[in-house]
Amino acid sequence: ETGVTQTPRHLVMGMTNKKSLKCEQHLGHNAMYWYKQSAKKPLELMFVYNFKEQTENNSVPSRFSPECPNSSHLFLHLHTLQPEDSALYLCASSQAGQDTEAFFGQGTRLTVV
Amino acid sequence: AQSVTQLGSHVSVSEGALVLLRCNYSSSVPPYLFWYVQYPNQGLQLLLKYTSAATLVKGINGFEAEFKKSETSFHLTKPSAHMSDAAEYFCAVSDTGTASKLTFGTGTRLQVTL
Repeated sequence: ETGVTQTPRHLVMGMTNKKSLKCEQHLGHNAMYWYKQSAKKPLELMFVYNFKEQTENNSVPSRFSPECPNSSHLFLHLHTLQPEDSALYLCASSQAGQDTEAFFGQGTRLTVV
Repeated sequence: AQSVTQLGSHVSVSEGALVLLRCNYSSSVPPYLFWYVQYPNQGLQLLLKYTSAATLVKGINGFEAEFKKSETSFHLTKPSAHMSDAAEYFCAVSDTGTASKLTFGTGTRLQVTL
């Protein structure tokens, strides 16, 4: 198993659909993150979870709903999305503390039609 | 507040030529600085990081970066480009030393030509 695994790799959904993105880390880390990568924009940190608790929400619209049932799994539930939400969604994990680095998954390419 | 500026969204070099990707940062405290690489259809992979030890940092795949406080820069270099280096490169800064507070630049796409 690779360090951080995201499924699905590609997702096309209509604006009225409900879908979920899944992330699993096999690194024993205790912090997990969701990032959004849009064309020509810096990576945007969406959510941070430390020890399963959400510690950061960067003003993300409520149509994105994260869930972290344990330190190894992170979900992003999607509903009533807009076309501008189309992007690459990256999950990352790290060991909470100083001098840490984030390990990224391969991302889910989301297209909202 | 911290920020990162990457000059040049696209850089093209010949195979065997020097690679220089520029990154300037802004941080109110001594920063931690990172370079990540993203290959097509992949996530981000850490190339190297500066954490207030040696100012010249060596990373994977022959890359290195030098922290210059006076210039607030952390430019990425590689003496000789290889075709496999073609990818997008991201500079990131953290003013807390933790991965949870990374601010990324907009990225530089490196093209390597024969």
